[in-house]
Amino acid sequence: SYVLTQPPSVSVSPGQTASITCSGDKLGDKYACWYQQKPGQSPVLVIYQDTKRPSRIPERFSGSNSGNTATLTISGTQAMDEADYYCQAWDSSTGVFGGGTKLTVL
Amino acid sequence: QVTLRESGPALVKPTQALTLTCTFSGFSLSTSGMGVSWIRQPPGKALEWLALIDRDDDKYYSASLKTRLTISKDTSKNQVVLTMTNMDPVDTATYYCARTNTVTVYHFDYWGQGTLVTVSS
Repeated sequence: SYVLTQPPSVSVSPGQTASITCSGDKLGDKYACWYQQKPGQSPVLVIYQDTKRPSRIPERFSGSNSGNTATLTISGTQAMDEADYYCQAWDSSTGVFGGGTKLTVL
Repeated sequence: QVTLRESGPALVKPTQALTLTCTFSGFSLSTSGMGVSWIRQPPGKALEWLALIDRDDDKYYSASLKTRLTISKDTSKNQVVLTMTNMDPVDTATYYCARTNTVTVYHFDYWGQGTLVTVSS
């Protein structure tokens, strides 16, 4: 089965840029999505189709995908961005999530 | 305004079957490009996709759980039902339904609040 691998945790200082990676075999040949989940809340879509951002998501969120790695980038990270982030892709009509990355803003 | 709400038992016994209902509004499963997925999350753990049903009644399942899952829809009632058989304590999780946009690249653009299901005798 297809596997997506994320670092368990990433730390960033307020105002700096945070990068969260997601690795999978030839992931660049697929499309990646990213979801943000804050404690006790449902996930929220922040990036789809590698780079597209839903209208309600701030411009500081961006995405890329090439080779074996998709990356979620948060520019000018704010305290409110502290959350778990999950990458997701489709493989053979099956949805796959990464293990999640806890983003700490300190 | 798109909303989804999961409903079902909070507690099931091992070996029993679980039936969850997703009731949604603000969109129709008769519309091209619309689908509904079920996704679960054990306490403190990662998200796991379970199943998807689309407008054409095409059904897709997690390979590891395929033998235990059945997804169906009632378009007139705006409901999607997931049944999981032979429940085990490891199936304890919050179960979410999510609208799945299938227009171009599939993605989960709206989520329900989730329902916690505990499997215990």
